[in-house]
Amino acid sequence: QQPVQSPQAVILREGEDAVINCSSSKALYSVHWYRQKHGEAPVFLMILLKGGEQKGHEKISASFNEKKQQSSLYLTASQLSYSGTYFCGTELDRGSTLGRLYFGRGTQLTVWP
Amino acid sequence: DAGVIQSPRHEVTEMGQEVTLRCKPISGHDYLFWYRQTMMRGLELLIYFNNNVPIDDSGMPEDRFSAKMPNASFSTLKIQPSEPRDSAVYFCASSLAGRGYTFGSGTRLTVV
Repeated sequence: QQPVQSPQAVILREGEDAVINCSSSKALYSVHWYRQKHGEAPVFLMILLKGGEQKGHEKISASFNEKKQQSSLYLTASQLSYSGTYFCGTELDRGSTLGRLYFGRGTQLTVWP
Repeated sequence: DAGVIQSPRHEVTEMGQEVTLRCKPISGHDYLFWYRQTMMRGLELLIYFNNNVPIDDSGMPEDRFSAKMPNASFSTLKIQPSEPRDSAVYFCASSLAGRGYTFGSGTRLTVV
């Protein structure tokens, strides 16, 4: 049930764009995105619910394709502060696993000046 | 709100000793999760509670691990006896149904 994230790592120059993908083999109810900086706890970015919505958070946005059970995180005009490891967390369609997330292995994003 | 509070921040213990990790969730949150993070395995869910009731403990590695949530404002994760392979960062997180998780700062456990 663990989602698959790609790529595993991304290196960018400040101002460049990046896309991080998250794919599940199971029907999903929601997808969460988190960012973790080195030595810190993961921090919640956004949640996308079943219905194919797209959400935005400053220059970071995400989409959820319910039919394909895929989500993508878009980082535009990247800033140094965007560096960190990005995790997607997937919540399976409502059932016995209500409320729990399965986390991907993470995508390490490094932004250079 | 002070967020999710975990203690201790760091714990170094000898193999065979008992270790107790503590967590205070955000007031009003009805879900509490215990995760373990290592380079090899990433973020693993150990156990989670809903309204203080354990829902799924299938991620608890062995009988050496146990978790309790005696009330809505406190949870513990205990390892007895501890082993070197238990060394990891242990995170507690809380949430409201349908909302994002708030993670605590974590406990870095080293078993020597």
